[in-house]
Amino acid sequence: AQSVTQLDSQVPVFEEAPVELRCNYSSSVSVYLFWYVQYPNQGLQLLLKYLSGSTLVKGINGFEAEFNKSQTSFHLRKPSVHISDTAEYFCAVSPFGAAGNKLTFGGGTRVLVKP
Amino acid sequence: DTGVSQDPRHKITKRGQNVTFRCDPISEHNRLYWYRQTLGQGPEFLTYFQNEAQLEKSRLLSDRFSAERPKGSFSTLEIQRTEQGDSAMYLCASSRRGQDTGELFFGEGSRLTVL
Repeated sequence: AQSVTQLDSQVPVFEEAPVELRCNYSSSVSVYLFWYVQYPNQGLQLLLKYLSGSTLVKGINGFEAEFNKSQTSFHLRKPSVHISDTAEYFCAVSPFGAAGNKLTFGGGTRVLVKP
Repeated sequence: DTGVSQDPRHKITKRGQNVTFRCDPISEHNRLYWYRQTLGQGPEFLTYFQNEAQLEKSRLLSDRFSAERPKGSFSTLEIQRTEQGDSAMYLCASSRRGQDTGELFFGEGSRLTVL
């Protein structure tokens, strides 16, 4: 079984400031890692994913994340946020080789960008 | 390319009533998933289908819940004898077999409020 912990439930940040959202996971098998974003009144949208290869992954809207296997972490970063980045962000994992694409999500981090 | 659509978007019902939600996946996707998201929490897996076969069900899916995908296209999720604890957002997602990398495409969800 897998579990995902997002250490911050809310992150207020000023516009143009950097932001980091923390994600740690636990799994007895290797996993794929994801960040999804949910804008107000919209469905979840894939921000970025780590499948293999380079541990630094770049996604949409200027976000990037770094996979750290030894620390079982997959933290999300953006160097300069915009008002439009106000949303809820979810870290998720999916086990290698499992039939189907079942995702296990963290509890989410709500980002509020202030002008 | 139309995305995943869900209907209704909002449903308010009285305790004890039955409700049904519908999900239409992306047309070429043969896998379909149901998740539940309660306030302040990440989505939790309920069940998934490959074509018309229901391949996995979570322990969260009590006997009052039933999901079907009769022709391998749209799916329905029925909740019988609703309870206040069923109030949540019910999310549908789809993916294509062969893309076992965990990327799911989500609909906007159906919000259930049980009075």
